[in-house]
Order: sequence, then structure tokens, then C-alpha cells
Amino acid sequence: GIQVEQSPPDLILQEGANSTLRCNFSDSVNNLQWFHQNPWGQLINLFYIPSGTKQNGRLSATTVATERYSLLYISSSQTTDSGVYFCAVYRGSTLGRLYFGRGTQLTVWP
Amino acid sequence: DSGVTQTPKHLITATGQRVTLRCSPRSGDLSVYWYQQSLDQGLQFLIQYYNGEERAKGNILERFSAQQFPDLHSELNLSSLELGDSALYFCASSPSWGPATSGNTIYFGEGSWLTVV
Repeated sequence: GIQVEQSPPDLILQEGANSTLRCNFSDSVNNLQWFHQNPWGQLINLFYIPSGTKQNGRLSATTVATERYSLLYISSSQTTDSGVYFCAVYRGSTLGRLYFGRGTQLTVWP
Repeated sequence: DSGVTQTPKHLITATGQRVTLRCSPRSGDLSVYWYQQSLDQGLQFLIQYYNGEERAKGNILERFSAQQFPDLHSELNLSSLELGDSALYFCASSPSWGPATSGNTIYFGEGSWLTVV
């Protein structure tokens, strides 16, 4: 299967700080999603981003498929941003198995 | 709220027992997926159904089975449970199995926490 590596594994920030999370993948993929798992375990869709850049409020994401990486940028962090951020990729051209990275554990302190 | 409903939210059972996890997909979604999240393995794909038919199988143990019913809800059956089966089990759904697009992506339920003692 595809190897998905995320970095850093852990990140501790103070409220108001900015951060960049990285996702590298080992093979060509057609699609990529970013998820946030909150402290209660819910997996929340952040971005569907096969290529290019998208922004949603304080969050933005960029995928460079040809170079096999994606970045998730969080600005002006809030305590509610805490949780684990996962990158997941699809290998085929149709929806099916998602390959997940191990995630970045983000802790934002007030 | 993703619209994917899973029950039960928490379950504690003994080794050797059998449990059934239930999932109702988002309204209109025909494809259902099951994932297992454990500390050592991370998030692992188990199986996918589309409109009642099995479409893809991942790292699903032989002790586990699933099905999707005509009303599109799905059940994951876990039998002969072992301590290592303790995990968070997610169900997810998508409108179809076709090309992934911004309108055809996967949404996850809140998960079922299974503890085997």
C-alpha cells in the first residue's frame, strides 16, 4: 500500500501561534483529504484537496501532487484546534480505501 | 454532525464474546466503509460496501464480518473477541464509489468505542 508520513508527530503551541503540518506520500495519488480528530474521537473533514490550495477560515491547505506532499496551515491557533490531524490519500481514481498517516497531535495552550 | 450514525457509542465486553456494531449512512449515500483505529495500528481500512454489495476488503480479520442491508444501513460483526480487538471502530459513507470529487467524499461517524476485557 501507500506510505503516508506526517510530521511533526507532536506539536505544542500557545494560543495565537501559527503552525504548518506536513504530509508526504510514497506514490502517486489521485486525491487527498485532511481530517481533524477532536478529543472526543470524532473525525471531521477539513479539506478535500487533490491539488492546489484551499482556505477555510483560519485553516488552509496546499497539495503538490507531483512532489507528493501536502501542507496544512493553521493560523492564530485556538484551544479548540487541539486534537489529532490526519492526512489520508486515495490511490485509485474512484472512492475506496483511504490510506491514513499516523497523525500530528496538536495541543494548544491558553 | 456528519450525518453518519453509529451505535452503540461505547461497548465493554469479555474475551470470546461476539458484538455487532451498527451504522446508518448519510441520507442518500450508497457506499459504506468500516475502519478500525487502534493505538498500535492507527486507522486501518476494513471493508467497503456499495448498495448492498461488497466492493473492497482491507485488513479485516476472518473473525469479523460485515454486511449492508437493503435500507443501506450496515453492521459489523466481531466474534471470538480478543483483548487486541479493543479499538475505536468507525463507519463512514459517501454518495457513491465513483471518482472522488468535492461532492463525492467520505464522511465519518462518531465511532463505536469497543473495550474487550
